[in-house]
Amino acid sequence: AQTVTQSQPEMSVQEAETVTLSCTYDTSESNYYLFWYKQPPSRQMILVIRQEAYKQQNATENRFSVNFQKAAKSFSLKISDSQLGDTAMYFCAFMPPFGGYGGSQGNLIFGKGTKLSVKP
Amino acid sequence: GAVVSQHPSWVICKSGTSVKIECRSLDFQATTMFWYRQFPKQSLMLMATSNEGSKATYEQGVEKDKFLINHASLTLSTLTVTSAHPEDSSFYICGARTLGSNQPQHFGDGTRLSIL
Repeated sequence: AQTVTQSQPEMSVQEAETVTLSCTYDTSESNYYLFWYKQPPSRQMILVIRQEAYKQQNATENRFSVNFQKAAKSFSLKISDSQLGDTAMYFCAFMPPFGGYGGSQGNLIFGKGTKLSVKP
Repeated sequence: GAVVSQHPSWVICKSGTSVKIECRSLDFQATTMFWYRQFPKQSLMLMATSNEGSKATYEQGVEKDKFLINHASLTLSTLTVTSAHPEDSSFYICGARTLGSNQPQHFGDGTRLSIL
């Protein structure tokens, strides 16, 4: 079964600094999708960034970038120039390919989350 | 972008009543919908997956008679918490996606359910 592990329950960073959130996963699939979601206090689930496993290039979205290490099954999120609005829970998520393990219908497997606090 | 509307956002009701939560996809066909429950400071826990026109598939440990899911159209799924009790109080979130798409789910804004 696939699992997603976030080993940092809480982290803090000073405003304008850079922080990296860790995520590892376990799967026997060769093609899959990985995501980072942000959940602010409003509890909306906001997609931050996505990575397709067959793409070697690391995804970037403005201040957010990932370090995708397929062989190590690692998918860390780097937030540069941290802002107060980045304070939130961050969830790493794995999506099997459609029709893959267990007949996936695109369900997401979430890690337990990392609570990030950006301090002024 | 794809929008999913979830209502109500917050509901308080007495123990023993039934509560219906709606999840609507506004600009795409949601062939598959997911219902999650989230306890404070925890991750999202998948309760069930439903495909339009079919019975929902429930995760282990989720009572299907307690949490009734209907997905009768490509734009609407409902979750009814029957005979709700205080232990059912939680945050419920729906996710929706289109069959065959490689896009991830689009989430509703969630429903905070409080049972007195």
